[in-house]
Formats: sequence, structure tokens, C-alpha cells
Amino acid sequence: DIVMTQSPDSLAVSLGERATINCKSSQSVLFISNNKNYLSWYQQKPGQPPKLLIYWASTRESGVPDRFSGSGSGTDFTLTISNLQPEDVAVYYCLQSYHTPPYTFGQGTKLEIK
Amino acid sequence: QVQLVESGGGVIQPGRSLRLSCAASGFNFETHALHWVRQAPGKGLVWVAVISYDGGNENYADSVKGRFTISRDNSKNTLYLQMNSLRAEDTAVYYCARGTSWFGENDVFHVWGQGTMVTVSS
Repeated sequence: DIVMTQSPDSLAVSLGERATINCKSSQSVLFISNNKNYLSWYQQKPGQPPKLLIYWASTRESGVPDRFSGSGSGTDFTLTISNLQPEDVAVYYCLQSYHTPPYTFGQGTKLEIK
Repeated sequence: QVQLVESGGGVIQPGRSLRLSCAASGFNFETHALHWVRQAPGKGLVWVAVISYDGGNENYADSVKGRFTISRDNSKNTLYLQMNSLRAEDTAVYYCARGTSWFGENDVFHVWGQGTMVTVSS
């Protein structure tokens, strides 16, 4: 099974600053035939279900603010949150959906305000 | 609007069975694969199972294989998870999630339900 490892486990960032979360997969999740990385990012606020932010590594879900962006390819990916807002406090997860089943999530990164 | 609503959770003794339901609305239910994902208290997300659009294909996490069965009734727009031989480690919030694929491969979880809590305890 593919192992997804996020870093850091937690981080604190000042309002208005940038937060960067990394996700590394134990095998490439790039599908060569269509050049898509099967890597998505989810935001989960306390007491709520996860919410899709980014899919195919860099495609923003409809309605997600453009402060959220995704990058990377192959095995290394990054979620960047620019101009951090109070409502961005959450746990963020990456998910690989290339080598399935099983689908595998990262362990999560807790983002707080400094 | 597109919605998934889980039900059926509760407190159950180890070794017993429980069936969860996920009622869907706002989209063409029979053209989407569906998944179950769980989250133990204070822990991360874990994928549990997937079923294809027509119920013809199922896949499971190793931790539940042989104990859990995913199924669907397209006439009722409802997804199910039959959980047998429950263990304490199955205690979690169970979410149903909708992808964009027909067969459940290479999916992206665009839609999530609110979840239903299952507590396995004597």
C-alpha cells in the first residue's frame, strides 16, 4: 500500500501570512497516460466532515478561495494557504487515489493561528 | 442541493452487528461510486470501502475485509455498510463520500456526509 506522510504534524502561522503543508507519497501518484497526479487535499474543521479543497494536485474545487493552492508532482506535493484567515484553522489531509484500493490519507496537519 | 445523510450509528457491544445507511439526494445516484471513510476519536481519516455505481464491484480495507459489507440500493438512493463482528477498534465516526468515478478507482471525494458515530463497547 502507498504510505502518505505529511509534514509538519502541526504548525502555527500568523494571520495574513502563508502556511505551507507538505505531503510525500511512498510511490509516484502520477498517471503518465493523462499526466494527472491523483492527489487531493481536504480541510476538516472541528466537528465537521472533511471538505475537498484541491484535486489532481493543483485543481481548486469550485467555491474554494484562491488563497488555497496546490503544487507538486510524482511523490512530493504542497498545499499553500496564502494570507491566512481565522477560518483556515483546521486539520488538513492529503489523499492518494492512484494506487487503489486502498485509498490512503496522510496523517493530517493541524494548522493554528500564531 | 447535493447531500449525503448517514444514519444507524450508536453504541454496540463487541461481537455484535450494525448496519449504517447513507441517504443521497440532489444528484444522479446511480452513476457514481460511493465510499465509506471512518475517523476514530481524535485520529485521522481512514478509507473503509467502495462500491461501484451498479453495486457490481466492491473493495475493502484489510482491517474490515470479511467483517464489513458495502451495498447500495439505487432504487432508494441509499448506500449501506453492514458491520459484523464489531471490535473496539471499529469505534469511529463513519462518513459516506461520493466520488466522480463509476467504478470507484482514482476517485476524488467531492461530497461528504456529516457522519454517524459508532461506539463499540461493553
